Amino acid sequence: GAGVSQSPSNKVTEKGKDVELRCDPISGHTALYWYRQSLGQGLEFLIYFQGNSAPDKSGLPSDRFSAERTGGSVSTLTIQRTQQEDSAVYLCASSLGPPTVNEQFFGPGTRLTVL
Amino acid sequence: AQKVTQAQTEISVVEKEDVTLDCVYETRDTTYYLFWYKQPPSGELVFLIRRNSFDEQNEISGRYSWNFQKSTSSFNFTITASQVVDSAVYFCALSEIYNQGGKLIFGQGTELSVKP
Repeated sequence: GAGVSQSPSNKVTEKGKDVELRCDPISGHTALYWYRQSLGQGLEFLIYFQGNSAPDKSGLPSDRFSAERTGGSVSTLTIQRTQQEDSAVYLCASSLGPPTVNEQFFGPGTRLTVL
Repeated sequence: AQKVTQAQTEISVVEKEDVTLDCVYETRDTTYYLFWYKQPPSGELVFLIRRNSFDEQNEISGRYSWNFQKSTSSFNFTITASQVVDSAVYFCALSEIYNQGGKLIFGQGTELSVKP
C-alpha cells in the first residue's frame, strides 16, 4: 500500500514568512510524528499525535511552531515568522499506536530553506 | 535521561569486508525499544529492526545481524560481506514505552561508505 507522503518536497521562503508542511500518514496508523533533521542537531523529535488524545508537543523548539491533525489522519506543521535556523528537512512518520511501541515509517521529508 | 551515542561518525570499507556499527544507549526505564534505520543518499529513512528490552537474542537477517547486550547498554549492527548498496547513513534509536508515546531518540548517525 501507499507509504507516508509529504508535501511540498521542497520549500524556499523568506525570513519572517509563515509556512505550512503537510503529512499524509499510512492508512490505519493512529500514531503520527514530526521530526526535524538538520546538520547541527541531527534528528530531533518535534510532536506526536495519537488518536484523539492531546498531542505531545514537548519537542517543539518555540511557540512559532504548531501542528494539528485533522480527522485522525492528515497533519499540518506550521512555522510562523520563519527564521534562518528553521532551515532543515522536516520528516513525518506514522505507526500503529499503543499499547506497544511499533516501528515508525517515514515519509520523504520536506526540505525547508529560509533565506 | 535518555541518550543514544553512535561514536563512529564515518566508516569507509572496501566491498566484501565485514563492518560493525556501534550503538550505546542510556535510559532509566526497564522497558524500552531499540531500532536501526538506514538513510540512503535518496534521503528516506528505512526501518531495519526493532528490538524490545526483554529480548536479548541476537538477530540475523541475510547479511545483517544485530547484537543486543543489556549489560553494556549496546545494540550493535554488523553487515557481513558489505556491498556498495549498503552505503548510507545508519541511525540507532531508542524509545521508552512509558509516557513517551513511542517517540524516537536518535543517535547522530554513522555514515558508511562501501567502495568497490
